[in-house]
Amino acid sequence: GESVGLHLPTLSVQEGDNSIINCAYSNSASDYFIWYKQESGKGPQFIIDIRSNMDKRQGQRVTVLLNKTVKHLSLQIAATQPGDSAVYFCAENINNQGGKLIFGQGTELSVKP
Amino acid sequence: EPEVTQTPSHQVTQMGQEVILRCVPISNHLYFYWYRQILGQKVEFLVSFYNNEISEKSEIFDDQFSVERPDGSNFTLKIRSTKLEDSAMYFCASSVWLNQPQHFGDGTRLSIL
Repeated sequence: GESVGLHLPTLSVQEGDNSIINCAYSNSASDYFIWYKQESGKGPQFIIDIRSNMDKRQGQRVTVLLNKTVKHLSLQIAATQPGDSAVYFCAENINNQGGKLIFGQGTELSVKP
Repeated sequence: EPEVTQTPSHQVTQMGQEVILRCVPISNHLYFYWYRQILGQKVEFLVSFYNNEISEKSEIFDDQFSVERPDGSNFTLKIRSTKLEDSAMYFCASSVWLNQPQHFGDGTRLSIL
């Protein structure tokens, strides 16, 4: 039958709460990771990145955690706002593959005012 | 803030026709990329480009696809003979170097009839 696309995991939070979005990545040779936000009709927007020699990195209202043992990445958004509503993708870069990013399936974040 | 720009925003083409998608990467960036996103699915890597050569390409990027840096500012993706399954959003991205954030344009929606 015809594919109708992936059903995205959805996270629904109340405005002001903290959000945690999780991602399992695929390749133990990945050495660089990026979180992107994608709003409807727009391209992926860079949020924060982390290299494989780190396990935590903080930005403005966002924190990325990397657990290489279980190949897991998370994005924490503090004091979530309605403007944070979007689809969030993690992306991994495998060393020596010309910058190729492998994207995860995405998580839809919905913020209720 | 500098951004990646893509034209056109929407391209409608008959199956079998050639199409050229255009991008202007951020001016001091050296690596350029094309990705595509079929409706409702995740972002997929097509090709990366550095120093006027393809750096890496995916299995999607077959002989029907080509990329070019025709001048000092533009980066193009050509599809020689379009197929129905080429319908997707095509995103251009650029980065200063490898393992640096890739910044995306807002994409060209390609519709093949």
